[in-house]
Amino acid sequence: DVKVTQSSRYLVKRTGEKVFLECVQDMDHENMFWYRQDPGLGLRLIYFSYDVKMKEKGDIPEGYSVSREKKERFSLILESASTNQTSMYLCASSAPTGTRSEQYFGPGTRLTVT
Amino acid sequence: AQSVSQHNHHVILSEAASLELGCNYSYGGTVNLFWYVQYPGQHLQLLLKYFSGDPLVKGIKGFEAEFIKSKFSFNLRKPSVQWSDTAEYFCAATSRGSGNTGKLIFGQGTTLQVKP
Repeated sequence: DVKVTQSSRYLVKRTGEKVFLECVQDMDHENMFWYRQDPGLGLRLIYFSYDVKMKEKGDIPEGYSVSREKKERFSLILESASTNQTSMYLCASSAPTGTRSEQYFGPGTRLTVT
Repeated sequence: AQSVSQHNHHVILSEAASLELGCNYSYGGTVNLFWYVQYPGQHLQLLLKYFSGDPLVKGIKGFEAEFIKSKFSFNLRKPSVQWSDTAEYFCAATSRGSGNTGKLIFGQGTTLQVKP
């Protein structure tokens, strides 16, 4: 079974702090994604990566950055956390583009910024 | 712009009632379509997917969906819901064309509450 793990289930941070969210997948997937999930808005793509050291902006990249130094690990960084970044963050991975593969999701990190 | 729209935001049903959740997409070319489910406190997981072929696809737990190209729709159905189907349901789409990066666009989600 594909397994996508995220470093924390719950996180509380103060405004202005630098926040790191880690995601690891064990299926050697090329593609990895970071979403945020908010009620009534569904999932919105923040960033994705299709290879090591490669990244592309999603629909809402402002205030976020990412890092992918190893194939299995994709990190989301909030450079200076703000209260409007309080949300559920979901990581996902998938096999190479063009294959008949769905995205596999981690359990999510519920981040509260106070 | 590409988009996915779910018409029902909150649905309440009694056990054994039939379910249909609407999903419409707006894409320039051919698409792959998905329904995901998130049970309370659990991961988002795949219910079913459509890539090509038979437009009626069957998924896990008795769910099915029908791709109607002329209506740009991919509605989710279940003939008889159970209390355990209480969850949030997301429709999603990705382009199948040459510009496909694997990015999914999600609908807003539908919260289903099944009363015992």
